[in-house]
Amino acid sequence: EIVLTQSPGTLSLSPGERASLSCRASRSVSSSFLAWFQQKPGQAPRLLISSTSNRAAGIPDRFSGGGSGTDFTLTIRKLEPEDFAVYYCQQYGSSPYSFGQGTKLEI
Amino acid sequence: QVTLRESGPALVKPTQTLTLTCTFSGFSLSTSGMCVSWIRQPPGKALEWLALIDWDDDKYYSTSLKTRLIISKDTSKNQVVLTLTNMAPVDTATYYCARGDYNSNLMGDYWGPGTLVTVSS
Repeated sequence: EIVLTQSPGTLSLSPGERASLSCRASRSVSSSFLAWFQQKPGQAPRLLISSTSNRAAGIPDRFSGGGSGTDFTLTIRKLEPEDFAVYYCQQYGSSPYSFGQGTKLEI
Repeated sequence: QVTLRESGPALVKPTQTLTLTCTFSGFSLSTSGMCVSWIRQPPGKALEWLALIDWDDDKYYSTSLKTRLIISKDTSKNQVVLTLTNMAPVDTATYYCARGDYNSNLMGDYWGPGTLVTVSS
């Protein structure tokens, strides 16, 4: 079973700044099967990135993903007020399809 | 347009069995590459993946919950059903279903709004 560890737990930044969120896997994940989600209070998660670096439909290009093997990163350049939320990574290459514990991005 | 919606009881008693239904539209689970997952989220906590069923009726389960979970599908009704036995207060959570599309290498591209299930006597 692959365990995903996200860091930091909380990231405090200001609008306009750049955010870098980490997702580390307990063993190698195919880059084809790593996704990032955004969740706002009271809402279902929203897919941001699939296959490590492919933005989902309608996702602004300030969101980008990268990495390989056991280390993956979600980068948000020039934070907008609506970007402050909780972010989760998920691997779906090996069942069970685990999530990380989340990173809260706060103002 | 793809939509999913979860339905089921809002309140269950300890030891009871929970049955949730995910009713979807805009795609078919008889189409090669399609799948539906169940995910839950206790209040204020992280997402937890529970189970997945695919177009070929292959089923995958959370390691920690697999003895209590059953996932099934009714393709003619566009529904996926999740059963969780022996409910306990720690199972209190919002339960979501989400679509996956292996053809496009997507997982969770569409989600239902979620349904809150509280376990209490």
